[in-house]
Amino acid sequence: GNSVTQMEGPVTLSEEAFLTINCTYTATGYPSLFWYVQYPGEGLQLLLKATKADDKGSNKGFEATYRKETTSFHLEKGSVQVSDSAVYFCALMIYNQGGKLIFGQGTELSVKP
Amino acid sequence: KAGVTQTPRYLIKTRGQQVTLSCSPISGHRSVSWYQQTPGQGLQFLFEYFSETQRNKGNFPGRFSGRQFSNSRSEMNVSTLELGDSALYLCASSFPAGTGTGELFFGEGSRLTVL
Repeated sequence: GNSVTQMEGPVTLSEEAFLTINCTYTATGYPSLFWYVQYPGEGLQLLLKATKADDKGSNKGFEATYRKETTSFHLEKGSVQVSDSAVYFCALMIYNQGGKLIFGQGTELSVKP
Repeated sequence: KAGVTQTPRYLIKTRGQQVTLSCSPISGHRSVSWYQQTPGQGLQFLFEYFSETQRNKGNFPGRFSGRQFSNSRSEMNVSTLELGDSALYLCASSFPAGTGTGELFFGEGSRLTVL
């Protein structure tokens, strides 16, 4: 079946530290890959996406590269800020199953000043 | 442009009751999906509607149902509530038809507590 596995949290970093959140997937079709972020008390917001192998998604200093050979989509940021504290979800969507996202379990990030 | 609007934001019900949640998608969006978020199970897909038809369905019992109206607004209903139905229910909309590469726009959710 289709599934997403994320590294477990919580992750606690100091401001300006380097961030990596690992994400691997299993898919029977040709997935698009996404990172969503959820700030406290809010819904989900798309952070970045990649729709085919070797695509790099980027937004707000975050990056992730679609690696088909390792079935991975790791999230990285060079220098985190306190305002990046949130829960991050990796997700996939299979072509022609629009509207159906399969999420990882989420990784809580806490950035300390 | 207004975002996805969900009502009510918070509600408390007792076991055995039923509940109806409403979702108004972004104007022009025709696909609406529903998700359940709980601490134990995370985010799970409930169902997706497009042009008033259910296109995809997750692995939830028949107590969970939904519908979509001609203006793309959607409702979901949970009958015979159980304690385990306590969750944040998120609605998301997308345009055009959700072929698998598009972004889903989420509402802030309806938080249901079952006592």
